[in-house]
Amino acid sequence: EMVLTQSPGTVSLSPGERATLSCRASHTVSSNYLAWYQQKPGLAPRVLIYGASSRATGIPDRFRGSGSGTDFILTISRLEPEDFAMYFCQQYGTSPFTFGGGTKVEIK
Amino acid sequence: EVQLVESGGGLVQPGGSLRLSCAASGFTFSNYEMNWVRQAPGKGLEWVSYISASGTTQYYADSAKGRFTISRDNAKNSLYLQMNSLRDEDTAVYYCASSGYSGFDPFDNWGQGTLVTVSS
Repeated sequence: EMVLTQSPGTVSLSPGERATLSCRASHTVSSNYLAWYQQKPGLAPRVLIYGASSRATGIPDRFRGSGSGTDFILTISRLEPEDFAMYFCQQYGTSPFTFGGGTKVEIK
Repeated sequence: EVQLVESGGGLVQPGGSLRLSCAASGFTFSNYEMNWVRQAPGKGLEWVSYISASGTTQYYADSAKGRFTISRDNAKNSLYLQMNSLRDEDTAVYYCASSGYSGFDPFDNWGQGTLVTVSS
C-alpha cells in the first residue's frame, strides 16, 4: 500500500502570504496520478489539482501543483481568507487509493 | 448540476449492519466510476471502496475487505455500500464520490456525507 506523508501538519500564515504544502509518497506515484483536495469544516472535500499539476475546473490560478515521482508540492501563491482550510493529497493510480494525513492552513 | 446525496447512516451497535445509499443526478451515472470515502470525527480522509462504471470491478481498503460490499444500480442512478460486522472504528462520515470514466481520475464530485455511528 502506498503511504502518503504530508508536511507540515499545520502551517500558520497571514492572508497574502505564500503557502507551500508537501506530499511525499512511499513509492513512485503511477503516471503522476496525484490529486490535491481542499476541505472546510462541515463540508465535503473538493478537488483542486489532478495529475499533479492540472487545476480542476473553476480553481483559481493562485493554486499550483508541482512535482513528480514521489515528491509533490501544492503552492498557494497569495492566501485569500477563504483558503484557510485542510488540504489532502491523494494518489488515484493504484488501489488502495490512499490519502495523506492532511495539512491544516490556519490564520496566523 | 451534478448532485450526489447519501442516506442510510445512523446509530448501530457493534456487530450490526447498515446499508448506505447514494442517489446521483445531473450526469450520466452509468458512465462514471464511483467510490466511498469515510472520515472519522476529527480525522483525515480514508478511501473505502471503488466500483467500475459497469459494476463488474470492485476494490476495497483492507479495513473493509470481507465486511463491506459496494454495488450500484445504473437503472436507478444509485450507489450502495452494505456494511456488516460493524466496529467502533467504523464510526465516520461516509461520502460517495465520482471519479470519472477513464480508470484513472480524481474524485471530482462528492456528496454531503452521511454519519455512521457504531456504539453500544
